[in-house]
Amino acid sequence: SQKIEQNSEALNIQEGKTATLTCNYTNYSPAYLQWYRQDPGRGPVFLLLIRENEKEKRKERLKVTFDTTLKQSLFHITASQPADSATYLCALEYTSGTYKYIFGTGTRLKVLA
Amino acid sequence: DVKVTQSSRYLVKRTGEKVFLECVQDMDHENMFWYRQDPGLGLRLIYFSYDVKMKEKGDIPEGYSVSREKKERFSLILESASTNQTSMYLCASRDGTDYGYTFGSGTRLTVV
Repeated sequence: SQKIEQNSEALNIQEGKTATLTCNYTNYSPAYLQWYRQDPGRGPVFLLLIRENEKEKRKERLKVTFDTTLKQSLFHITASQPADSATYLCALEYTSGTYKYIFGTGTRLKVLA
Repeated sequence: DVKVTQSSRYLVKRTGEKVFLECVQDMDHENMFWYRQDPGLGLRLIYFSYDVKMKEKGDIPEGYSVSREKKERFSLILESASTNQTSMYLCASRDGTDYGYTFGSGTRLTVV
């Protein structure tokens, strides 16, 4: 079955630096890979979607890369701010008979002022 | 601003009670979903619906049912609540496979 692995350990970085979060998956090549932000006690908020034929996607200070050879996506936040502190979830959609959609457990990011 | 609204932020119910969790979206999305989120397990799909009166089981449907009588409303029903159904429940909708989910704020359900 398909699995997603995100670093369960929290990532602490200094304000102004670039945060890089990793999402690894096994088995099937996803049709789409998405990143979400989740604050404590709240629902996830959609940030970016990248398709299997795309290498990179950008949105303001956010950048997502997608390497289907490595089965990995990297999520970058440049010029990080304390307000970026949250848990970031990776999710992928793939086909295994029918469409499947699974979420990683997320990586908690803390940006230190 | 598009929204998915869940009727309750916090609920406490007793074991054996029938529990209704309501979700309404104002985006005219056809696809609606119910997830539960538990520490270390991530989000797990309970049920989803691609159209009115249509439902499909997700990965963990046991102990749950759903109802979609109108396009904008998707209800999750716990037929007989048990303590292992204590969790954060998240409703979501989306407009086709090319887009991300829009989630509600979640309902923290505690079954005692």
